[in-house]
Amino acid sequence: ETGVTQSPTHLIKTRGQQVTLRCSSQSGHNTVSWYQQALGQGPQFIFQYYREEENGRGNFPPRFSGLQFPNYSSELNVNALELDDSALYLCASSLDAGKRAEAFFGQGTRLTVV
Amino acid sequence: KQEVTQIPAALSVPEGENLVLNCSFTDSAIYNLQWFRQDPGKGLTSLLLIQSSQREQTSGRLNASLDKSSGRSTLYIAASQPGDSATYLCAVPYGQNFVFGPGTRLSVLP
Repeated sequence: ETGVTQSPTHLIKTRGQQVTLRCSSQSGHNTVSWYQQALGQGPQFIFQYYREEENGRGNFPPRFSGLQFPNYSSELNVNALELDDSALYLCASSLDAGKRAEAFFGQGTRLTVV
Repeated sequence: KQEVTQIPAALSVPEGENLVLNCSFTDSAIYNLQWFRQDPGKGLTSLLLIQSSQREQTSGRLNASLDKSSGRSTLYIAASQPGDSATYLCAVPYGQNFVFGPGTRLSVLP
């Protein structure tokens, strides 16, 4: 059973650029959620994908977008990067979108916007 | 709206001590509560999941309790070790996502 993997682990981008972060869900999991974690704070929900459809979204602007593929892996895309987008981005997968499902997180992608 | 708080924000203890971390949530209509560990700059490692029908869950030196009616959960760590140093977060499902507390930063001194 493979865990949740994210790539890349670190990256540096310039303000105004676009970035794509990737997540491979745990084997058998059809639900992927993305979170943003600023330094010293708890993770904040960006959005969730369930069976390739967006299944909920947090308070993030439309320049944060995502995809889920037939193998349930997922991408997070951020356009027009701002300095405040610098954070740790976490991906979580779960067996389904139900509220009783346990979530398993990846190691995160550290994004720095300069 | 669900809000989750954790106290203390930070804790420093000598090795071997037993300690308690606290988590509070405002909406008691939860399905479960999950405790996570986070090492600096790393992802979240799931420690314990307590379903709403359970009162306690144990894994090794960790024991988590849940009191839905009072909106509280505690994580008890027995015989703390320097390797336990990390940030501990609790989270509850709300809508399609988890709502996290800000975490307790634990330092166990050798």
